[in-house]
Amino acid sequence: GESVGLHLPTLSVQEGDNSIINCAYSNSASDYFIWYKQESGKGPQFIIDIRSNMDKRQGQRVTVLLNKTVKHLSLQIAATQPGDSAVYFCAETPSTGANNLFFGTGTRLTVIP
Amino acid sequence: EAGVVQSPRYKIIEKKQPVAFWCNPISGHNTLYWYLQNLGQGPELLIRYENEEAVDDSQLPKDRFSAERLKGVDSTLKIQPAELGDSAVYLCASSQKAAAEAFFGQGTRLTVV
Repeated sequence: GESVGLHLPTLSVQEGDNSIINCAYSNSASDYFIWYKQESGKGPQFIIDIRSNMDKRQGQRVTVLLNKTVKHLSLQIAATQPGDSAVYFCAETPSTGANNLFFGTGTRLTVIP
Repeated sequence: EAGVVQSPRYKIIEKKQPVAFWCNPISGHNTLYWYLQNLGQGPELLIRYENEEAVDDSQLPKDRFSAERLKGVDSTLKIQPAELGDSAVYLCASSQKAAAEAFFGQGTRLTVV
């Protein structure tokens, strides 16, 4: 049968280029957002987070941008490396202390050497 | 420090057979989560434990799925009988408090034939 994975949004970038992965969320009450990286055969791994009172947060080679007006989140990866190849998920939660975490549809990033 | 450990990594069973997955959370993490991840999609919560108590099992299909965490540490997720549509990755995660702080195991990939 048809693989659901074939419908996974994909992004291919050349090694050394910057990557931008986008995510739209639906719950305007969400207060806290997280980006996860999931490599093949592994569980999701925390990359970076941002609270709703911020519009930008930077980490090492990664930046998350939050636009609450249009309920949009993006992850920017600078100087993308082959090791960045993975599926990236955004997740939202009502607050930092909440026990509900809702994942969006992932994006498969492929880095071309 | 060991992360969240799951076993088995892979399981192939015939439909209508039972199957069980095991999870050992990070030491000291009172909250344990079981997630279902279909191919190409983000994880979806099945059940959440606070110590030995299942505090959120609203998404667990109770006609065929069951879980336990008898001593508030290790947990087992069972499916009986398995159906073809149960083929997916079953992820276990644990945290001290909030879902956003959870660490994920590598998952068990179940294939029902």
